[in-house]
Amino acid sequence: EAAVTQSPRSKVAVTGGKVTLSCHQTNNHDYMYWYRQDTGHGLRLIHYSYVADSTEKGDIPDGYKASRPSQENFSLILELASLSQTAVYFCASRDWASQNTLYFGAGTRLSVL
Amino acid sequence: GDSVTQTEGPVTVSESESLIINCTYSATSIAYPNLFWYVRYPGEGLQLLLKVITAGQKGSSRGFEATYNKETTSFHLQKASVQESDSAVYYCALGDHGGTGSKLSFGKGAKLTVSP
Repeated sequence: EAAVTQSPRSKVAVTGGKVTLSCHQTNNHDYMYWYRQDTGHGLRLIHYSYVADSTEKGDIPDGYKASRPSQENFSLILELASLSQTAVYFCASRDWASQNTLYFGAGTRLSVL
Repeated sequence: GDSVTQTEGPVTVSESESLIINCTYSATSIAYPNLFWYVRYPGEGLQLLLKVITAGQKGSSRGFEATYNKETTSFHLQKASVQESDSAVYYCALGDHGGTGSKLSFGKGAKLTVSP
């Protein structure tokens, strides 16, 4: 069974603080993604990666950094958290041949106060 | 750009009744769009429910069906008789062939509640 685990599952952060969201996959997949979802919006792509040690910007990368130190791990970093970054964050992985069949983690609910 | 517009929740249906969740898409940069329905059950991540990569074809899974209609740019999700266990959030999504740099555009999601 494919597995993508995110940590933490929820977090409260202070404005201006640093936040790191972690994602670990045991699928042996090449691609990994970070999405965010806000109330009233669909999932929006922040960063993605298709190989270790390399990341790509998605549609809304501003205010976020990503790190892919290994095939299994993909982190999302908020260097200076802001109120507007309060959202639910989803990590996903896929195999290069799967034609957009993504496997998602359960999500991290981030509240920035 | 590429986008998806779908029925926005909440959607409440009684058990054994029929369901339709509407989805239309706009694919301006994708020559051959692929269409997907993902579902998120409470406490879990999104998972693929069904996908169709060829216009005119129908996908089905767990009693749900969706037909890829290129003429009306639609991909509506239907089920003839829902169950309480179908309560979840349903997302329509649009993508390309899935190569390097590929990404999905998601709708806002429709929260379905099936009442007993």
